[in-house]
Amino acid sequence: DAGVTQSPTHLIKTRGQQVTLRCSPKSGHDTVSWYQQALGQGPQFIFQYYEEEERQRGNFPDRFSGHQFPNYSSELNVNALLLGDSALYLCASSLDAGQETQYFGPGTRLLVL
Amino acid sequence: GQNIDQPTEMTATEGAIVQINCTYQTSGFNGLFWYQQHAGEAPTFLSYNVLDGLEEKGRFSSFLSRSKGYSYLLLKELQMKDSASYLCAVRKSNYQLIWGAGTKLIIKP
Repeated sequence: DAGVTQSPTHLIKTRGQQVTLRCSPKSGHDTVSWYQQALGQGPQFIFQYYEEEERQRGNFPDRFSGHQFPNYSSELNVNALLLGDSALYLCASSLDAGQETQYFGPGTRLLVL
Repeated sequence: GQNIDQPTEMTATEGAIVQINCTYQTSGFNGLFWYQQHAGEAPTFLSYNVLDGLEEKGRFSSFLSRSKGYSYLLLKELQMKDSASYLCAVRKSNYQLIWGAGTKLIIKP
């Protein structure tokens, strides 16, 4: 039973560039939530996708956007990168729009120079 | 507003017991989760409480008091591999998770 997978594991970008991060949910899960985690902090909720739609959104600017595909995999896109976007980006999958426990992927560590 | 408080860091001895507290104030409550996160890794699910009381799972137990906005994670028979950050997360009525900053637990021999 495959767990949550994310790619890439690490990424280095420069200010102003754009980045796309990918997530495949745990087998059988239909909901994907994205989080940003700065060093020494808890995860901050970016948004959640269910049935290919953004269902909920945290306090993040429009530079952060996403997509969910029919196979439930998801992408997180960040435009016009800022130094402050450097963080660990976590994807969590669950069932039924988050009504069940969320399981996390290994994360993508993004460094913006 | 919404607020989840946990101690920043705790130290305990191998073989001992440690209790990590979490207090919360959120608009709506639909359960409380504890996750373990080793440095540089993703959080892994430990426990879930939605009703008041104690949930026991092996060496780990979690307690919830909804009226007090309080939970704790109890770790028994501590092992070196338990050195990690422990994250408390509250699920709101809309199923969104609000996270504490985590408690870094250091285990000494």
